Order: sequence, then C-alpha cells, then structure tokens
Amino acid sequence: GENVEQHPSTLSVQEGDSAVIKCTYSDSASNYFPWYKQELGKRPQLIIDIRSNVGEKKDQRIAVTLNKTAKHFSLHITETQPEDSAVYFCALYGGATNKLIFGTGTLLAVQP
Amino acid sequence: NAGVTQTPKFRVLKTGQSMTLLCAQDMNHEYMYWYRQDPGMGLRLIHYSVGEGTTAKGEVPDGYNVSRLKKQNFLLGLESAAPSQTSVYFCASSTQGGWGPQHFGDGTRLSIL
Repeated sequence: GENVEQHPSTLSVQEGDSAVIKCTYSDSASNYFPWYKQELGKRPQLIIDIRSNVGEKKDQRIAVTLNKTAKHFSLHITETQPEDSAVYFCALYGGATNKLIFGTGTLLAVQP
Repeated sequence: NAGVTQTPKFRVLKTGQSMTLLCAQDMNHEYMYWYRQDPGMGLRLIHYSVGEGTTAKGEVPDGYNVSRLKKQNFLLGLESAAPSQTSVYFCASSTQGGWGPQHFGDGTRLSIL
C-alpha cells in the first residue's frame, strides 16, 4: 500500500533558526498533503495543508512546498520559537488508498 | 461546542479483558476514524466510518471491532485485550474524508497488563 517516509525523526534548532522537515511518497496519484502538529500530551492539530495543484503555500512563519515530479513535500518553519517545539506529522491522501496515511513524525526541539 | 470527546481518558486492563472506547462528536461530521499511536510509528488507522451505519477496516484492524449506530458516536471495542494493544488511541472526525482537516479528540491512554 501507500507509504510515506518522513525525515528527520528528530531535529534540534536554536531559537530564531529555520527548520525543514521532508516527506517522500511513492503513489503519484496522491493529491492532498496535510501537516499536523502534536504538542506533548495533546491531540494532533492541522497546521497547514496543500493540494496537488499548488506548489507552495504559506501561513505566517510556516510554509509547505510540494514537488510532484520528485514525489516529496516539505514543511518549513522560519524564525522558530520555543512554542514550536512539538512532534510534526506529514500525511497524504489520494491515489490507491481511501485513507489518510501518516508519516512517523519528527520531534522538533527549539532551544532558547 | 465540545468538538470530539473521547471516553475514558485512561484505562488499565488485564490481558483477556474486554472494553469499549467511546468517541462522540458534535460537529455533524460524516467521517469518523480510530487511530492508535505508538512511539516511532506515527498514527495508524484501525477502523473508520464514512457515515452512520457504515464501518471499514484500516491498516491495523486485527483485535478490534467498531460500531457507528448513531452519526455522532463511533465505538471501538477490544474483545480480548492483549499487551500489544497498549497504546494511545485517538478518535477523529471530518467533513471531507481524507481531503480535509481531521479533528482529533484528546486521546485514550490504554495499558494492558
């Protein structure tokens, strides 16, 4: 079935630096790519998403880019702050599966 | 507006016991999902429902059953609990299936001894 690989599994940055998390996938028919943030002990929450007809989407300090040819999409966080510390999950939908498939998560630690 | 509510929040079971986790949503969403979250493995779909009276299997359905008798409720049952089912269970709902945001509950932390 469809599978999504997420890297890195952990990421430590200094406050103010940028952070990038990348996900790769195999099914070229996938066409919806959301990102979820999960703070420690809390529920996952959608922070940004992108559809396959768009190459990039921004919302304040976060952005998502999609490269359909190379089958990868990335989350970019600029000017990181301690409250950005959380686990981030990529996901994708579409193609052969009727389900949202999640990546294994990236633990982001922003050091003050 | 409570969103998605899961009951209970914590539970400890002995191997072989049974229990039911309840998920309730007040957003009139058609789609509901049960996931389990284990360290290093992300969120894995157990079962899902595309509307009242329907259920379907996800990635890891073995050992679980579900029912969606009412649109607002989605129940997850463990018939004979096993230590491998120790996990955090999340329920979610959405209006657009996999095409749009999924709204998660706070989770149920389940330990099987």
